[in-house]
Amino acid sequence: NAGVTQTPKFRILKIGQSMTLQCTQDMNHNYMYWYRQDPGMGLKLIYYSVGAGITDKGEVPNGYNVSRSTTEDFPLRLELAAPSQTSVYFCASGIWGAGQETQYFGPGTRLLVL
Amino acid sequence: RKEVEQDPGPFNVPEGATVAFNCTYSNSASQSFFWYRQDCRKEPKLLMSVYSSGNEDGRFTAQLNRASQYISLLIRDSKLSDSATYLCVVLGGSSNTGKLIFGQGTTLQVKP
Repeated sequence: NAGVTQTPKFRILKIGQSMTLQCTQDMNHNYMYWYRQDPGMGLKLIYYSVGAGITDKGEVPNGYNVSRSTTEDFPLRLELAAPSQTSVYFCASGIWGAGQETQYFGPGTRLLVL
Repeated sequence: RKEVEQDPGPFNVPEGATVAFNCTYSNSASQSFFWYRQDCRKEPKLLMSVYSSGNEDGRFTAQLNRASQYISLLIRDSKLSDSATYLCVVLGGSSNTGKLIFGQGTTLQVKP
């Protein structure tokens, strides 16, 4: 049982390049989330999904896109990378309701945009 | 005003000390509250949920004061392994989305 896995662990991008951050969970959770964490700051929600085929914007969605074609996968797409997108990106999956409330986080992807 | 505010610290305490962190939240309609722990350069992990009646898990006690809109975490008999950043987290919006709002975290350094 791997939990939440993310790839790559680290990436350097040039300004204007694009990339996809991969996230997979094997816990059959309906809820999945993408966060970014800047140095010394808390996590900010980028996008989230409450089930396959359903996605919605979080607090800081500009410059990002997501899709959710399966329960397991929730990739995050960066188009036209900018230095402001240098951050650590965490994917999470979770259970909500019926007395169960928790989120499990992946190990993160460290992105540097130069 | 930030939705969830914490004193960033750092809190430097000796082993065995008792330390308390406070957190305030702005949305009086918030229903669910949590403390997460984050080690350096690692992902956050759920430490404990915070219930209205207060709850305890070993050396850790969480309290909720709805009237004043603050949450606290008390750590007794601090261990070196407690050194980490503690994130105060509030469920934002309706519970059927599971959207969490994170404070910036409070850093704890326990010294021998």
